Amino acid sequence: EDQVTQSPEALRLQEGESSSLNCSYTVSGLRGLFWYRQDPGKGPEFLFTLYSAGEEKEKERLKATLTKKESFLHITAPKPEDSATYLCAVQKDSNYQLIWGAGTKLIIKP
Amino acid sequence: GAGVSQTPSNKVTEKGKYVELRCDPISGHTALYWYRQSLGQGPEFLIYFQGTGAADDSGLPNDRFFAVRPEGSVSTLKIQRTERGDSAVYLCASSLSTGDTQYFGPGTRLTVL
Repeated sequence: EDQVTQSPEALRLQEGESSSLNCSYTVSGLRGLFWYRQDPGKGPEFLFTLYSAGEEKEKERLKATLTKKESFLHITAPKPEDSATYLCAVQKDSNYQLIWGAGTKLIIKP
Repeated sequence: GAGVSQTPSNKVTEKGKYVELRCDPISGHTALYWYRQSLGQGPEFLIYFQGTGAADDSGLPNDRFFAVRPEGSVSTLKIQRTERGDSAVYLCASSLSTGDTQYFGPGTRLTVL
């Protein structure tokens, strides 16, 4: 069965304390893996797409990496404004649905 | 340019009533998707359109749910005989074409009393 699991469920960090969020997946035929950020009361905001193992993408303090079984979202020297829920989703090559994880709620304390 | 917009932002209704939720995609985007999101969960796929036709409606939970996109732009998600379990945030997304990056609207929070 296709499945996406994110860990941890919640993560509290001090401002400037770097860490990583994990997204592990089992899917038959991966077309792409997506990372989104979601603020309370808003829709998901697109961050990155990764298509093949070994690929990396960066944006400001965020870097996403992909292996054949999981993806990591590394956050370097985070700021309070990075606080949000980070969602991971996979897209199969047989259809175009996104299969989502439950998200990691990230809280950055000043 | 303008992003995906959804109306209303909030809808409160009574059990058994009919509701319509509207989605206005990004101009020029041919693919449109509907998702449902419960508190603390990731979005759950409902249906997607490529142009005017529903290309995949396998996520609709039952026949009380129906969606249309008559002119290939605005879409309406229709829910008949609402139940308390339908309470959730309904998200709409659009992409340039099927399989491209999906951009989301702010959602409609539906509460069924």
